[in-house]
Amino acid sequence: DAMVIQNPRYQVTQFGKPVTLSCSQTLNHNVMYWYQQKSSQAPKLLFHYYDKDFNNEADTPDNFQSRRPNTSFCFLDIRSPGLGDAAMYLCATSRETGGLDTQYFGPGTRLTVL
Amino acid sequence: AQKVTQAQTEISVVEKEDVTLDCVYETRDTTYYLFWYKQPPSGELVFLIRRNSFDEQNEISGRYSWNFQKSTSSFNFTITASQVVDSAVYFCALSEPYSGYSTLTFGKGTMLLVSP
Repeated sequence: DAMVIQNPRYQVTQFGKPVTLSCSQTLNHNVMYWYQQKSSQAPKLLFHYYDKDFNNEADTPDNFQSRRPNTSFCFLDIRSPGLGDAAMYLCATSRETGGLDTQYFGPGTRLTVL
Repeated sequence: AQKVTQAQTEISVVEKEDVTLDCVYETRDTTYYLFWYKQPPSGELVFLIRRNSFDEQNEISGRYSWNFQKSTSSFNFTITASQVVDSAVYFCALSEPYSGYSTLTFGKGTMLLVSP
């Protein structure tokens, strides 16, 4: 089945130790998104790619970066995780951007920072 | 101001009861889209429905139904004969593709607890 896959599902890292979260898709969608969701809150968009064009949200901390080496894969890098970065990280995809198309989400990676 | 308001933070029902989740939105655009997503305890956001602003026809899918009313800027979601597996957080979301916003605006979510 076509889908959005995130690895790992659970990630534990130490304060200040860089961590990379992975997302892949078999939907062949143009757009890939990264969201951060803290407990009992709505998902918050960090950034998205339309093909290779990177779009950063204005309030996304510099500590968060992303790479999209090809259509299928997108990575979220957290350079120096702090305790406040513990959250669920959701990857999503859509055919088009600008809210014109439905976003399909992966299962998420739950990040714990010790 | 919130663009998507889900006033019900948490709802508890007993299995087989009907339950309605409210969603009120705010936009100046004439073209927009409304969505509902379900987030079970596992964490994945599951897409349920997408509605465009020109289609006010109500929709039914099994035990799920949606009531879209532009006059009151509401897009309410009803689950008929609720089941324990319906327990989840439900998010209503708005997209305004011609306003320069890149993506979805989510409400804060409503947690639905269905007990046996």
